[in-house]
Amino acid sequence: GAGVSQSPRYKVAKRGQDVALRCDPISGHVSLFWYQQALGQGPEFLTYFQNEAQLDKSGLPSDRFFAERPEGSVSTLKIQRTQQEDSAVYLCASSLGTGTQPQHFGDGTRLSIL
Amino acid sequence: QQPVQSPQAVILREGEDAVINCSSSKALYSVHWYRQKHGEAPVFLMILLKGGEQKGHEKISASFNEKKQQSSLYLTASQLSYSGTYFCGTERALRGGGKLIFGQGTELSVKP
Repeated sequence: GAGVSQSPRYKVAKRGQDVALRCDPISGHVSLFWYQQALGQGPEFLTYFQNEAQLDKSGLPSDRFFAERPEGSVSTLKIQRTQQEDSAVYLCASSLGTGTQPQHFGDGTRLSIL
Repeated sequence: QQPVQSPQAVILREGEDAVINCSSSKALYSVHWYRQKHGEAPVFLMILLKGGEQKGHEKISASFNEKKQQSSLYLTASQLSYSGTYFCGTERALRGGGKLIFGQGTELSVKP
């Protein structure tokens, strides 16, 4: 596809379960970003990859959050032992190069923790 | 630190103009503007680099005042399709890798 693809679109999990969210960036895009968006708020930075290297993970809320991009394309955001406050939309974005570039967002995964 | 957007919400009639501001207390390298419709992905509008340049995109333009660390988004002759939430994303350093800190958003509603 031409755009950033995220799956699943919706995820409901019980508190304490582990979840995995997938992001398929635009082909050839070097940089990949994960953001968390709470209802009525702007996206909040979680982590950033340049190819397979995770260069900034300063926004990950706790050590329950883990992201990887092993082959420099598809990325997975994993949340272990989910809690209710993890409920949010998780957005993935990719950009062509490094530095100041337009970021192209996917539609996000809406995560609800019961 | 999160940039501050103003106003928080604005309602326009089709054809009216609007200005959305984005202010930061920190020195910025660039400001990015996005529009997001409910349940959809944020869509890129434009990037402003420090230097005070003004850019345009159809009837939407923006400026960046480096002295004030403020960017303004100008929407002229608004159309129904302009409705949505507008976010500014700020980049503090060239070597930040493109990491953006977003404002809380400005909800724009254009009525017929």
